[in-house]
Amino acid sequence: QKEVEQDPGPLSVPEGAIVSLNCTYSNSAFQYFMWYRQYSRKGPELLMYTYSSGNKEDGRFTAQVDKSSKYISLFIRDSQPSDSATYLCAMSGKGSGGSNYKLTFGKGTLLTVNP
Amino acid sequence: DVKVTQSSRYLVKRTGEKVFLECVQDMDHENMFWYRQDPGLGLRLIYFSYDVKMKEKGDIPEGYSVSREKKERFSLILESASTNQTSMYLCASSQGPSREKLFFGSGTQLSVL
Repeated sequence: QKEVEQDPGPLSVPEGAIVSLNCTYSNSAFQYFMWYRQYSRKGPELLMYTYSSGNKEDGRFTAQVDKSSKYISLFIRDSQPSDSATYLCAMSGKGSGGSNYKLTFGKGTLLTVNP
Repeated sequence: DVKVTQSSRYLVKRTGEKVFLECVQDMDHENMFWYRQDPGLGLRLIYFSYDVKMKEKGDIPEGYSVSREKKERFSLILESASTNQTSMYLCASSQGPSREKLFFGSGTQLSVL
């Protein structure tokens, strides 16, 4: 079983739709959970950051973490064409030494929002 | 805003050449990383550094080395480029206490012919 699994899509939705992106993971030591957005021919940029379980909201974006199910989600409300990008989940654990600096990324989901 | 600058956007090299990829960040970040990104394989960590002159292997260090002589600069070296090193290379940096919050450069698309 891979440490982080993410459906690569592609996912195509109409403008205004609610988008749900998900990742599952197997490492129970993960405590930090992130979503990165990557536009075509650009580097990823941090979109959402959460620690442990719970929800976090930022404008149209909501990140959810369910540690009991080892499942994280990103919801995008009122999706816009400018949201078209690849979304990467990422996570890391709490520990000491070199492993504390390493993120484990999902492979990314390509999202297209059609006008 | 944090800026992570990679020296080249596109690079074409020949098999066997020694290749240097340069990365500079302007926010005094302790941590710097080199990833490669390939379709279907996602982001894979090559090397990282959490201090000047310090380096640690990531998940795929074979065929690569790194250098960090100054805090703001992290170089990736392909000792003898091979065609399977054709990839998008991404540099990132982060602040010590918030090491998970990576700031990425725009990437270098390297083609090895």
